[in-house]
Order: sequence, then C-alpha cells, then structure tokens
Amino acid sequence: KQEVTQIPAALSVPEGENLVLNCSFTDSAIYNLQWFRQDPGKGLTSLLLIQSSQREQTSGRLNASLDKSSGRSTLYIAASQPGDSATYLCAAPFPLKAAGNKLTFGGGTRVLVKP
Amino acid sequence: SAVISQKPSRDICQRGTSLTIQCQVDSQVTMMFWYRQQPGQSLTLIATANQGSEATYESGFVIDKFPISRPNLTFSTLTVSNMSPEDSSIYLCSVRTSGAQSTDTQYFGPGTRLTVL
Repeated sequence: KQEVTQIPAALSVPEGENLVLNCSFTDSAIYNLQWFRQDPGKGLTSLLLIQSSQREQTSGRLNASLDKSSGRSTLYIAASQPGDSATYLCAAPFPLKAAGNKLTFGGGTRVLVKP
Repeated sequence: SAVISQKPSRDICQRGTSLTIQCQVDSQVTMMFWYRQQPGQSLTLIATANQGSEATYESGFVIDKFPISRPNLTFSTLTVSNMSPEDSSIYLCSVRTSGAQSTDTQYFGPGTRLTVL
C-alpha cells in the first residue's frame, strides 16, 4: 500500500524567502505524483504533475522534483509571496495504473508567508 | 483541463436529515471520485463513480450512508444520509483526465462545506 507523508505539517517564512516542501512515499514504483494547493475551506488546485519518467517539472516560480529511489518529491517555490500562504498537498495514485486507481494524499504542509 | 462545479457550496443541516451534493464537469469523463476532508485532516476517498455501473466504495464507507448517482458522463451526486455531527466535513468531487497535454492529472471541485448540528 502506498503511504504518503509530508513533513513539516506547518511552515512559516518571511516574504521573499524560497520555500521547500517535502513529500515522502513508500512505494518507489510510483506512476506519478501530483502537487496541489488548498486555500482555507476551499477545494484543491492542481499545481504540478510529475510522471515517473521525469525528474522534475516547472511552472513559473514552482519547481517539483521526483526521486523514486529515495521515495521523495520536493516542491520549491521561489521568492515566496504572502499570496503563497495555503496548504500544499502531495498525492500519488494507488494501486499503480490500475483502472480504478485512487490518489493517496499526504497530510499537507500549511504554509504562512509573512509580509 | 477540467472545470468542476459543486452545489451547494456550503450548508448547515440538522442531525438525522440528508443532503445531496451535485457535481458538474465541463467535459465528459469516465471516472469521478468523491472525497471527504474532515476538519484539520487530509483527503479520504469515499467512492469511485463510473457511469453506467454502481459506485465502488472504500473501506469504511457504505452505500446506505453515501448513495451516489452517475446518470451521465458529466454529472454525479453524493448524498450524505441520516447525518450526524461527525459528518461535518468538506466534500469534494474530483475527476481524472488523460491525454497528451494532461496525462492523468486529477482535478477537484471547489468543495461543499457541510456542518451538521
């Protein structure tokens, strides 16, 4: 069974600092990994999807890496802004590439960027 | 990509009543998913809803409590039956798309925030 963990559960940084968010997974035979953002009381916004064949994916100030051998993915947010304050969740499908595969979510990292 | 809308966005309900949540997608999708997010928690999958077949429920969730309909490829409903305060959560509809541009990306609706008194 795929288990996904995010540490720390909460993170506070001053504006302008780079953010580094960690995601660990137990099954290295991962199909893909997806990063989401969730604002309080709201739904999830997909940020980046990394396929198992990729090592990283970039979108604007966001960069996500994937290291299957160590069971880790990292989301980097450059030059953080107060608007980046949200909860960030990573998720991986389980079972792998099955017709009904579902996402297993980490517990999330709650980020606060202070002006 | 997929744009998903949910109704209602939030509701406050009395214990013992039922609420039906609607999910509408702007494109045809094979699989739709219903998740629950309890306060301060991450997301837990309730069931997978395929058009033309019965929903598949995860461990701990049963059809009598969470009946699901999937009448076509763009719409689904989730009913929370005989509600108790423990059902207070955000309920999220989700779909997965696949294709050259967005292989297997999963998209989520804005959620329905349910409070049971």
